[in-house]
Amino acid sequence: QSVLTQPPSVSAAPGQKVTISCSGSSSNIGNNYVSWYQHLPGTAPKLLIFDNNKRPSGIPARFSGSKSGTSATLGITGLQTGDEADYYCGTWDSSLSANVFGGGTKLTVL
Amino acid sequence: QVQLVESGGGVIQPGRSVRLSCAASGFTFSSYGMHWVRQAPGKGLEWVAVISYDGGTKFYEDSVKGRFTISRDNSKNTLYLQINSLRPDDTAIFYCAKGETYGRELPLDYWGRGTLVTVSS
Repeated sequence: QSVLTQPPSVSAAPGQKVTISCSGSSSNIGNNYVSWYQHLPGTAPKLLIFDNNKRPSGIPARFSGSKSGTSATLGITGLQTGDEADYYCGTWDSSLSANVFGGGTKLTVL
Repeated sequence: QVQLVESGGGVIQPGRSVRLSCAASGFTFSSYGMHWVRQAPGKGLEWVAVISYDGGTKFYEDSVKGRFTISRDNSKNTLYLQINSLRPDDTAIFYCAKGETYGRELPLDYWGRGTLVTVSS
């Protein structure tokens, strides 16, 4: 059971918008930067968002991140079938002295 | 371009040991923290361990402390993960990943494709 809680699955139609939440505590999200990753089975995971809301070069502006208190959110607009993947949030946990990932959210583009 | 290539996985008997390797290229390896992340079958990503740029600082996920050892050889641009007393629940794909900074924290900006460790008799 991860210390970061994500919904197991979300779904939306092509072209629509979806948000994925990541809930933690003051020992992790509340006092550390959050990053988000996209993972298609059989491939290397990809960094989507770092430092709560920054996008690495090459990541489209359709992907956005935000943080408020002990929760973070990944937003994806203009959904495409190619966005179907598992999405993970991650951060440092000061109490555990370890990095932690959320349990992952499977995105289905209907 | 950054490349991370893991090796060393396979089918290994319970109780045995294995050393995974990650060959890095395309960046100054000795300047960045390096991480191992695993994914058990049907499960999510689980962070395992990190080693700082110079090998001086290491952190581990609680469940692997005492059995897993992360190390690096900056002269060979290679990251290692030694796993002792393998158990069936260690079965997973192990990913090597580059930290964005010299230290312990995320984010992980480049990942390898992973090496599969299957623990079975």
